[in-house]
Amino acid sequence: GAGVSQSPSNKVTEKGKDVELRCDPISGHTALYWYRQSLGQGLEFLIYFQGNSAPDKSGLPSDRFSAERTGGSVSTLTIQRTQQEDSAVYLCASSSVGGSTDTQYFGPGTRLTVL
Amino acid sequence: GDSVTQMEGPVTLSEEAFLTINCTYTATGYPSLFWYVQYPGEGLQLLLKATKADDKGSNKGFEATYRKETTSFHLEKGSVQVSDSAVYFCALRYLGGSQGNLIFGKGTKLSVKP
Repeated sequence: GAGVSQSPSNKVTEKGKDVELRCDPISGHTALYWYRQSLGQGLEFLIYFQGNSAPDKSGLPSDRFSAERTGGSVSTLTIQRTQQEDSAVYLCASSSVGGSTDTQYFGPGTRLTVL
Repeated sequence: GDSVTQMEGPVTLSEEAFLTINCTYTATGYPSLFWYVQYPGEGLQLLLKATKADDKGSNKGFEATYRKETTSFHLEKGSVQVSDSAVYFCALRYLGGSQGNLIFGKGTKLSVKP
């Protein structure tokens, strides 16, 4: 595809429900990142994948958050038992190899609202 | 820990005014530095980057120079346009390590009036 795509673009859920957010990176990109953008916290790093492995999960805010990547392509971020403080825009980015000078290309984001 | 500090917004300028958005960083290593821009209703886009000291990144009339001595990466543009209205994020990323994630400043909202 031409760029990073994310789905859904908007998600409204009730407190306590589980949600799944999907990211389709640019074809051939081995590195994939999840970030969260919220009013209070700005842009926060959540997790990084190199291929299907996640060497760095340090940014996940709690054990309710998990992510996986299969086939070195699509990634899913799952939030269990959602809380109101999880409301944010969740951004996915990919880069070709994950090097420090690599450009990260961002998707349009999924806006999550927890009622 | 590592961090990026950028000037608080919002910044409001008239068209053709000179723009500076200050950005300083704290890092234990030697990061690459980036400016990303988020136009209204759109996703984050890379504006420019610099990977080592004294490098100058430039794009669309914007410039920023990697100043190791002052740990700064200020964004400048000589003459802003209404279309430059957006939120600008300064970010750093490490040369080494397994992470590769970006560490962002809180963003500066720029509004340019005709």
